[in-house]
Amino acid sequence: SQQGEEDPQALSIQEGENATMNCSYKTSINNLQWYRQNSGRGLVHLILIRSNEREKHSGRLRVTLDTSKKSSSLLITASRAADTASYFCATVPYNFNKFYFGSGTKLNVKP
Amino acid sequence: EAGVTQFPSHSVIEKGQTVTLRCDPISGHDNLYWYRRVMGKEIKFLLHFVKESKQDESGMPNNRFLAERTGGTYSTLKVQPAELEDSGVYFCASSQLPDTQYFGPGTRLTVL
Repeated sequence: SQQGEEDPQALSIQEGENATMNCSYKTSINNLQWYRQNSGRGLVHLILIRSNEREKHSGRLRVTLDTSKKSSSLLITASRAADTASYFCATVPYNFNKFYFGSGTKLNVKP
Repeated sequence: EAGVTQFPSHSVIEKGQTVTLRCDPISGHDNLYWYRRVMGKEIKFLLHFVKESKQDESGMPNNRFLAERTGGTYSTLKVQPAELEDSGVYFCASSQLPDTQYFGPGTRLTVL
């Protein structure tokens, strides 16, 4: 399967702590993207990292990509209760025809 | 600029009934995608339209699902007859550039 697989499936932390989620995939990609889904709402795009990039930052988010290990990580620093959501990685192949998502990591940030 | 909209937000139907989901993409976006997430599992691709043409429908689970995009604007996804395993959240996304898809809020379908 080309789908990304997030790890862990669930993560519970205290507000202020950092949260790290991992994504592994199996085939070559053009880019990898992270999305967030708040309960009952749609997918919100967080960050895109291309296959020739190793690290990217956006506010409190830090994404890394290791194409040799076919893995990516999403780090949320100084977490807030509002970060509580499910986080998905999506891998995008070179023909861009579709996104491949995993099952997501459910993050719970306790106030 | 309005985002991708989906209607209804939630639908509850009985097994054997028909349901039609609608997606309005961002104006001007030629690409429209349908995905679904069943029972907390992975979000899976269903199909991809380029304007009114089906570019890729390899993810459609079976012939009970019919997607249309008349005139290359909004799209509908009909499930007929609905089965219990069709329950889940159906997402629509649109894009103009190939590596950026904008997702709608999803339709939560519950089949009883």
